[in-house]
Amino acid sequence: AQKVTQAQTEISVVEKEDVTLDCVYETRDTTYYLFWYKQPPSGELVFLIRRNSFDEQNEISGRYSWNFQKSTSSFNFTITASQVVDSAVYFCALTGNQGGKLIFGQGTELSVKP
Amino acid sequence: GAGVSQTPSNKVTEKGKYVELRCDPISGHTALYWYRQSLGQGPEFLIYFQGTGAADDSGLPNDRFFAVRPEGSVSTLKIQRTERGDSAVYLCASSPSPGTGGWETQYFGPGTRLLVL
Repeated sequence: AQKVTQAQTEISVVEKEDVTLDCVYETRDTTYYLFWYKQPPSGELVFLIRRNSFDEQNEISGRYSWNFQKSTSSFNFTITASQVVDSAVYFCALTGNQGGKLIFGQGTELSVKP
Repeated sequence: GAGVSQTPSNKVTEKGKYVELRCDPISGHTALYWYRQSLGQGPEFLIYFQGTGAADDSGLPNDRFFAVRPEGSVSTLKIQRTERGDSAVYLCASSPSPGTGGWETQYFGPGTRLLVL
């Protein structure tokens, strides 16, 4: 069975701090896809990144970076120099090689205080 | 271009009533998904359409829940004999055709917040 675990329920930081959101996954598929979504207070899930299981290169997009490590089944997300607008719930998700349903973690609520 | 749209944005109903929730996917997306999100939880999968047919309905909790996509575009999620436990945000997502670039990525609508009194 597939499973995604986000052990951090809530994180609170002060603006300009760096913060890392953890994601650990379980799957028996050899090909799979991992995602991060942001859910701001407005409620709409916003796609941030997709990573396939064959590409372990870390990725950076502006203040966001992602660290994918198959050896530890982790796909962690770091926000550098956090801003108040980063306050949201962040979800890590997984799907298998055929696509289809996403398995979501429980989410991490990030609060960035000025 | 336009994203996924869902109507209504909010729905209040009484226990035992029938409700329909509508999803209009991104134009050209062949795959459509329904999820349910309870307060403080991650979205939970309900059903997935590829074109007009349900490719996976394993997440539907019971036979009170049904979804259709008759023309391969708009989808309707139907809930009969609603119960208070059905109260949640119902999310719809769509993705491009398998084999096209980025086909694995699902784009979500704003959701319908359902409250059953």
